[in-house]
Amino acid sequence: AQKVTQAQTEISVVEKEDVTLDCVYETRDTTYYLFWYKQPPSGELVFLIRRNSFDEQNEISGRYSWNFQKSTSSFNFTITASQVVDSAVYFCALSADQGAQKLVFGQGTRLTINP
Amino acid sequence: DAGITQSPRHKVTETGTPVTLRCHQTENHRYMYWYRQDPGHGLRLIHYSYGVKDTDKGEVSDGYSVSRSKTEDFLLTLESATSSQTSVYFCAISGQGRNTEAFFGQGTRLTVV
Repeated sequence: AQKVTQAQTEISVVEKEDVTLDCVYETRDTTYYLFWYKQPPSGELVFLIRRNSFDEQNEISGRYSWNFQKSTSSFNFTITASQVVDSAVYFCALSADQGAQKLVFGQGTRLTINP
Repeated sequence: DAGITQSPRHKVTETGTPVTLRCHQTENHRYMYWYRQDPGHGLRLIHYSYGVKDTDKGEVSDGYSVSRSKTEDFLLTLESATSSQTSVYFCAISGQGRNTEAFFGQGTRLTVV
């Protein structure tokens, strides 16, 4: 069985601070996929990134970066120079299927950026 | 944005009544999913479909049934709604192949009183 743990329930920082959201996963599968989704106050789920288990290269997209470490089963998400618009609930998810994307989600981290 | 429409967006119903939620896609994607979102649980998979008339159970399928008679429509039915089924329901779709991701609808807030 797969499991995703986001131990940080809520984080609150002041604008322009850097913030890291932690994600730890469990799976026995050797091939799997990791995801981050953003849920802004409006409620929709926005896809941010997908990472394959065989690709440990970290990724940067603007102010967002992701650190994937198989040795610690972690897939952490860092926002640099946070902005108020980054306020949202962020979900980490895991899928081990080769066809359907049956996602196992973490509990989510509510991030609040204060001006 | 992926073409996914959920209806209704909000619904209040009484305990014991049947309820059907609809998910409609315009992307011609093979896979469709229903998740529920509850505080402290993130999202959990209820049922999914891998083709017309092909469905399977997810983690929290008890009390729910689904049907997919056309590629574009995936229906979630609560045969007899209970208060524990008060939740926000999300439909998602994904395409064929490994390098795909799931795209979500706007969600349906269901309240069972």
